[in-house]
Amino acid sequence: QAVVTQEPSLTVSPGGTVTLTCGSSTGTVTSGHFPYWFQQKPGQVPTTLIYETVKKLPWTPARFSGSLLGGKAALTLSGAQPEDEADYYCLLSFGGPGVFGGGTRLTVL
Amino acid sequence: EVQLLETGGGLVQPGGSLRLSCAASGFTFSNYAMTWVRQAPGKGLEWVSAISGSGDNTKYADSVRGRFTISRDNSKNTLYLQMNSLRADDTAVYYCTKTLGPIAIKPGYWGQGTLIAVSS
Repeated sequence: QAVVTQEPSLTVSPGGTVTLTCGSSTGTVTSGHFPYWFQQKPGQVPTTLIYETVKKLPWTPARFSGSLLGGKAALTLSGAQPEDEADYYCLLSFGGPGVFGGGTRLTVL
Repeated sequence: EVQLLETGGGLVQPGGSLRLSCAASGFTFSNYAMTWVRQAPGKGLEWVSAISGSGDNTKYADSVRGRFTISRDNSKNTLYLQMNSLRADDTAVYYCTKTLGPIAIKPGYWGQGTLIAVSS
């Protein structure tokens, strides 16, 4: 089974921009992996932010965007807010089961 | 409004069995694939299983294949997860999720989760 990798932790200043990435042990991440991104605040249920690389759900704040960057899936937060402090997970498809990354703990400080 | 209500969680001994249910409402249940995702205490998310809207296509993570069975009853708008041969490392909050299409395998909407504790 493939391993999906994310930065364990990142810090961003309020109002700043940060990019989280999602890589695969099998090689380049493409749109064919249908990357999803999820946010989980402490003690809360995860929510889905981005699906199929770039698509947003109705509740996804405009400051979040998805892309492919340098062979990985990427989640960019532009104009970070204190309420964006959370764990972020990506999920990739490999033709069968889905595989989550280990998550990135984002601190807004 | 999409609502997903998981039931069936609790304490079970190693080697035991448990069946989770997820009652769905607010959407046409048979039009959407559904998944189970779990999260061990203090750990990350783990994709467990998915089933197509019609119920004729299922997928499993390697860690549960052969022990867990996903199923659905579209007449009752209910998703199930039959868990057998439970192990301590199956201890987790189990989330029922609705996908965004009939054959998708990834979560769009999440239930509140139900805790399974496997311990003697």
